[in-house]
Amino acid sequence: DGGITQSPKYLFRKEGQNVTLSCEQNLNHDAMYWYRQDPGQGLRLIYYSQIVNDFQKGDIAEGYSVSREKKESFPLTVTSAQKNPTAFYLCASSTGEREGVHEQYFGPGTRLTVT
Amino acid sequence: AQKVTQAQTEISVVEKEDVTLDCVYETRDTTYYLFWYKQPPSGELVFLIRRNSFDEQNEISGRYSWNFQKSTSSFNFTITASQVVDSAVYFCALGLNTGGFKTIFGAGTRLFVKA
Repeated sequence: DGGITQSPKYLFRKEGQNVTLSCEQNLNHDAMYWYRQDPGQGLRLIYYSQIVNDFQKGDIAEGYSVSREKKESFPLTVTSAQKNPTAFYLCASSTGEREGVHEQYFGPGTRLTVT
Repeated sequence: AQKVTQAQTEISVVEKEDVTLDCVYETRDTTYYLFWYKQPPSGELVFLIRRNSFDEQNEISGRYSWNFQKSTSSFNFTITASQVVDSAVYFCALGLNTGGFKTIFGAGTRLFVKA
């Protein structure tokens, strides 16, 4: 079954701790994305990667970091510098920018709560 | 300015009613892409449709239909004979591919379909 896996579904952390959210895809997609969703709001782009070993900041990258060492994996680290980290985090992938902007396929999300 | 406006925050209908979700977009680009996604209570966004700016043909897929009008910068989504399973948050999104990749999501419309 092709798709995107995010783990865990729920994550609880104490303030001041870094935490890494996992995202894996087996769709053979070049591009991967991380979004943040707050209650009642749309999706805001944190980071994206169009190709292995390359990634770009999105609209709200401060306090987050990513890596793209393998095509299948795009982990997101929420650092202690992120002032309001409690949110729902969604990972997505797409075939990339060739021949236009393509639809994205999303994982089930990770709900992070920091207290 | 580049943005997507979904003016309807919440809509409530009774099963079997038709319902239209509005989407208005803003961009000066001549080439762009429009999308609709569905987010059921489970949280995972599901891709519904992609249109490019050169294809104004309306589309029908089962009970779903989309009306793209460049003259009014709108890409509205109609569900015919709504069902309880249609209850979800629906996002309209604008994809731009100039000066770097960008997909801009609207704030979403929450649809409640009551039995």
